[in-house]
Amino acid sequence: QQPVQSPQAVILREGEDAVINCSSSKALYSVHWYRQKHGEAPVFLMILLKGGEQKGHEKISASFNEKKQQSSLYLTASQLSYSGTYFCGTERGGKLIFGQGTELSVKP
Amino acid sequence: DTGVSQDPRHKITKRGQNVTFRCDPISEHNRLYWYRQTLGQGPEFLTYFQNEAQLEKSRLLSDRFSAERPKGSFSTLEIQRTEQGDSAMYLCASSPGTEGEKLFFGSGTQLSVL
Repeated sequence: QQPVQSPQAVILREGEDAVINCSSSKALYSVHWYRQKHGEAPVFLMILLKGGEQKGHEKISASFNEKKQQSSLYLTASQLSYSGTYFCGTERGGKLIFGQGTELSVKP
Repeated sequence: DTGVSQDPRHKITKRGQNVTFRCDPISEHNRLYWYRQTLGQGPEFLTYFQNEAQLEKSRLLSDRFSAERPKGSFSTLEIQRTEQGDSAMYLCASSPGTEGEKLFFGSGTQLSVL
């Protein structure tokens, strides 16, 4: 039931782009994205509630494809502050089930 | 809005002891969630409340774990007869109360069972 994220880890240079994918074997009604820095709590980035909907948060955007049961997070012109672990979460019966995470490291 | 607070931040205990953690959600948030997170993994759902009612408890959770939310305000998570496998970060989160709303996480309680 846990959504599957890919890749597990990615290393970028400042200014490069990255895509993180989240897929589910079950129907998706909404997808949440969170970022967690080392030693800190997960912080909300965005929710996608409709199929095909794209939302943005500064230079971070996401898409949601209901038919393919997947969501993708796009990080454009990455900054050092983007480093952290990104989690997608899918709603199941009122609670969020999180993926295993994608660790993103942005180097100068 | 002071955010979600958890106490204690760190807890070291010996195997077999009981431990209790507290979570104070954002005021007027109706939903409160408990998650467990181990190194390199995503938060794993444990249980959640709508006001004072416990709506679901993970099937993966043994009977040694119990949670309460009296009066629909703060919540406590108790682990009885702790085992080394219980060592993890225990995260609490709250939300206003309907599905499709973002979760606000506390900083967590790091439990180490020796």
